[in-house]
Amino acid sequence: DADVTQTPRNRITKTGKRIMLECSQTKGHDRMYWYRQDPGLGLRLIYYSFDVKDINKGEISDGYSVSRQAQAKFSLSLESAIPNQTALYFCATSDRPLSSGRAVGSYNEQFFGPGTRLTVL
Amino acid sequence: QKEVEQNSGPLSVPEGAIASLNCTYSDRGSQSFFWYRQYSGKSPELIMSIYSNGDKEDGRFTAQLNKASQYVSLLIRDSQPSDSATYLCAVTLRSNDYKLSFGAGTTVTVRA
Repeated sequence: DADVTQTPRNRITKTGKRIMLECSQTKGHDRMYWYRQDPGLGLRLIYYSFDVKDINKGEISDGYSVSRQAQAKFSLSLESAIPNQTALYFCATSDRPLSSGRAVGSYNEQFFGPGTRLTVL
Repeated sequence: QKEVEQNSGPLSVPEGAIASLNCTYSDRGSQSFFWYRQYSGKSPELIMSIYSNGDKEDGRFTAQLNKASQYVSLLIRDSQPSDSATYLCAVTLRSNDYKLSFGAGTTVTVRA
């Protein structure tokens, strides 16, 4: 089974609808992230969470909200979807820095889910 | 100046040749450096991590880090058509709370 899963994998919706994208992981990582990817713009961070009680905005959080329901689950919501939110969305996870026996900096290694292709009409 | 910059592609190489990808970063306090491979429509896959100056080899891939010059590179030896993908450079920036910052990517096409 995949370590990081995302649902749904594809979604077509209409302007103004509320959408929730879900991410689950079995890697035991504390840190989770939501990115969007648009052609030519690379990966941009929407929100990130370093543990269940720590949620932070990324560079493009406007129009989005998140919920960290448990260590293993991190959901992204679009309260009122608009066409320019059409993109590929990725969830990612990484370990925390205090794990013993790991190379310096290796906790920054991020592992991505398969992605959700969202189209807003 | 962008935090992480990659040489613009696309890069086309013949099968069996060496593909060379470069990445520069702006923050001298950066600690961790990664290369991700992304096939079209798929998620990024971590292929190399490097944390100290010098070379790191893993199969046909070699990552090179030079912190003084603030660049990291990826060499793909004996390129195969299956290496055709977009390669993303990612750096943890001290100025960015050590979150990953990604370059825009370089698309590599290996010609059979």
